[in-house]
Amino acid sequence: EVQLVESGGGLVQPGGSLRLSCEASGFIFSDHYMDWVRQAPGKGLEWVGRTRRKANSYTTEYAASVKGRFTISRDDSKNSLYLQMNSLKTEDTAVYYCARVKSGFYYFDYWGQGTLVTVSS
Amino acid sequence: DIQMTQSPSSLSASVGDRVTITCRASQGISNSLAWFQQKPGKAPKSLIYAASSLQSGVPSRFSGSGSGTDFTLTISSLQPEDFATYYCQQYNSYPITFGQGTRLEIK
Repeated sequence: EVQLVESGGGLVQPGGSLRLSCEASGFIFSDHYMDWVRQAPGKGLEWVGRTRRKANSYTTEYAASVKGRFTISRDDSKNSLYLQMNSLKTEDTAVYYCARVKSGFYYFDYWGQGTLVTVSS
Repeated sequence: DIQMTQSPSSLSASVGDRVTITCRASQGISNSLAWFQQKPGKAPKSLIYAASSLQSGVPSRFSGSGSGTDFTLTISSLQPEDFATYYCQQYNSYPITFGQGTRLEIK
């Protein structure tokens, strides 16, 4: 069974940093691109970014709203995905989901349960 | 960026009804479109990919169609568990973008 479990959310002050983790199980993690998606309270879904797999040199893509502040990385030996968030703003307050990208089709076939990040003074 | 516009934004329907939700892309995206269902406090769930392919385990009352800029999600006979918010998403080009959502409520 595919499982994605996020952790690391919490309350942080504006300008601060936070690192989210997503632990994967039930599939060959290294074979898949992995993404982060967020959802502000009461709002819709917003794509944050993507990391490709080793065969694609672990290259990344980011939404304009987070580029230069957020960094996506992965550790295939630990079946884990990470989101390093720096220079946080109040508008980054959201539930952050990790999502698996279906190989060859590039859509999200599995999602984690999400972790809440609150940026507030 | 490609803008995804869903209509309607909200919809009231009864169990057994046939429901259609529309998603329009601001430019052509071929068939690189997915649909997701989200219930309050839960993660989104994949329903449809490649515009019309059913995700494994999703009931056959869900179907998708379209190509280019205009797409639809149809639920042939609404069940109580189908009342939720539905999102379309394009994955043809970066940044990946979602529609604003359609809230499906019980009449």
